[in-house]
Amino acid sequence: NAGVMQNPRHLVRRRGQEARLRCSPMKGHSHVYWYRQLPEEGLKFMVYLQKENIIDESGMPKERFSAEFPKEGPSILRIQQVVRGDSAAYFCASSPRAGDDEQYFGPGTRLTVT
Amino acid sequence: KQEVTQIPAALSVPEGENLVLNCSFTDSAIYNLQWFRQDPGKGLTSLLLIQSSQREQTSGRLNASLDKSSGRSTLYIAASQPGDSATYLCAATSGSRLTFGEGTQLTVNP
Repeated sequence: NAGVMQNPRHLVRRRGQEARLRCSPMKGHSHVYWYRQLPEEGLKFMVYLQKENIIDESGMPKERFSAEFPKEGPSILRIQQVVRGDSAAYFCASSPRAGDDEQYFGPGTRLTVT
Repeated sequence: KQEVTQIPAALSVPEGENLVLNCSFTDSAIYNLQWFRQDPGKGLTSLLLIQSSQREQTSGRLNASLDKSSGRSTLYIAASQPGDSATYLCAATSGSRLTFGEGTQLTVNP
């Protein structure tokens, strides 16, 4: 059973471009979570999704950030018009059941905005 | 709002020492508590998960305890090795999210 997969592992974008981060959960997992780790800071929750539904997006910045988890395919975290402050490691996790179950983490995507 | 604190922020020990990392959380209504390891520039490796109904979990040289009433967890590492050098994170699960501490950066010197 392959683990949580994230791609790309490293992403470089210029200010103003769009960044798309993809997360494929473990097989059989229908719950996906995104976390962000800013430089020299701890991991912070961003959003929790189930297939085709956003359950909790209370950690998402109000502008430029969006997330989806379609019926088919990976979950996508989209950042529009990136700024230098978006440079961070973005981690995806998945779980088989509701939000209180153990979460399994992917290797992360390191976004650098130049 | 859940807040998680880890003490100490950094720890340097000689090889072979037993050590304890501390984690405290403000809201005792947690589902579980997880300990992770993170190497520089890498992802998270799950070490131990303690369900809210449990008091401790063990894996090899690692032992984690949980005291919900006092809002504390400890990670005990026996006979430390240089390969244990990493940042150790604890995270409390409340509702749909994990709330992470800032981590303890451990260095084990040969």
